[in-house]
Amino acid sequence: ENVLTQSPGTLYLSPGERATLSCRASHNVNNNNLAWYQQKPGQAPRLLIFGASSRATGIPVRFSGSGSGTDFTLTISRLEPEDFAMYYCQQYSYWWTFGQGTTVAIK
Amino acid sequence: QVRLVESGGGVVQPGGSLRLSCAASGFTFNSFGMHWVRQAPGKGVEWVAFIQDVGRNKYYADSVEGRFTISRDNSQNMIYLQMNGLRREDSAVYFCAKDAWGFLDHWGQGSLVTVAS
Repeated sequence: ENVLTQSPGTLYLSPGERATLSCRASHNVNNNNLAWYQQKPGQAPRLLIFGASSRATGIPVRFSGSGSGTDFTLTISRLEPEDFAMYYCQQYSYWWTFGQGTTVAIK
Repeated sequence: QVRLVESGGGVVQPGGSLRLSCAASGFTFNSFGMHWVRQAPGKGVEWVAFIQDVGRNKYYADSVEGRFTISRDNSQNMIYLQMNGLRREDSAVYFCAKDAWGFLDHWGQGSLVTVAS
């Protein structure tokens, strides 16, 4: 199993600030088969990024993904009020696993 | 647009059974694999099962292998999750999701399953 570890657990930031979320895999993620999702309370997760760096349809440009191998990053360039939420990474290189999530909370 | 609607959740006793359904619309259903993913109250998301587009191959998380069965009816644009031998730790919101080359590009709103006596 490819275990994904996300850090930090909670990120306290203000609107307008930059958010940097990390996702580390226990084994190499082949072909950058990594996705990021956003989830708000009471809602289903929403796809943000696939292939480590490709934005899904309708996702604002302030969301960007980077990384390769075992280390991946989701960056939100300038936080909007609606961006305060939970974020999960997911690998689909070998079966499917999710990280435990990072909460982006208002400082 | 893509729409996924789960149903069939409820309260069941430990050891009991339940079948979840997911109605799909807005895309060519028989061209895509489908997943079930769950989320226990206050916890993260956990992948549960996957079925390929024509239903030939199915994959399960270790935590449900041998107890849960995923299936689909391409004539009705439906997928199902038959859950047997339910345990308290199976209590969760169960989401169906559409596969897109391994990532999950559309999700339903979920169906709550509570295993309690």
